[in-house]
Amino acid sequence: GAGVSQSPSNKVTEKGKDVELRCDPISGHTALYWYRQSLGQGLEFLIYFQGNSAPDKSGLPSDRFSAERTGGSVSTLTIQRTQQEDSAVYLCASSAPGGGSGVREQYFGPGTRLTVT
Amino acid sequence: GENVEQHPSTLSVQEGDSAVIKCTYSDSASNYFPWYKQELGKRPQLIIDIRSNVGEKKDQRIAVTLNKTAKHFSLHITETQPEDSAVYFCAVKPTGSNYQLIWGAGTKLIIKP
Repeated sequence: GAGVSQSPSNKVTEKGKDVELRCDPISGHTALYWYRQSLGQGLEFLIYFQGNSAPDKSGLPSDRFSAERTGGSVSTLTIQRTQQEDSAVYLCASSAPGGGSGVREQYFGPGTRLTVT
Repeated sequence: GENVEQHPSTLSVQEGDSAVIKCTYSDSASNYFPWYKQELGKRPQLIIDIRSNVGEKKDQRIAVTLNKTAKHFSLHITETQPEDSAVYFCAVKPTGSNYQLIWGAGTKLIIKP
């Protein structure tokens, strides 16, 4: 079936502008994650959704970052007043409802490469 | 909270040789340890995982070993091939969390022809 999709694949924006990044998880996956990956770096956790609620927003780097998820499916990550340091690849992942150990494989999308000029 | 350290940051091996990447963690109650592979320009993908009630798991040329006493786990790749070149990330699911993974910083594996 279809995997996780993200749009746009690339986004170039001017400093100070707002951007919206979209993630379509795999159908039936209740958990959704946003990560940020700077060039050559690891995965920086941003936020996690279980259904429509976000029990963990601890990774959001500043109040310029926000995310929402509607209908337990599509999620948007919004960055307001973008700064050059926001330039990175933003990855979304989803996973199926957890089993006994409470964890399932995370399936990643292709990412959105954000460049702030 | 949980802390995960991954070593080395870069590993270069001759094609056909073995590669070992190690991760250490701090929370002795952590119970799930996956490894993800990210090829250049592509998304991370799960390649193997291990749970805390198992000491070793193998899948063809890939194996993961877990030492709960020492709080470290390792990825072993035997008979390396060019397609093994990628960045490998370890992760740990800490106790008390049903979803969050704490990620290592990644190891860039280079396979020399």
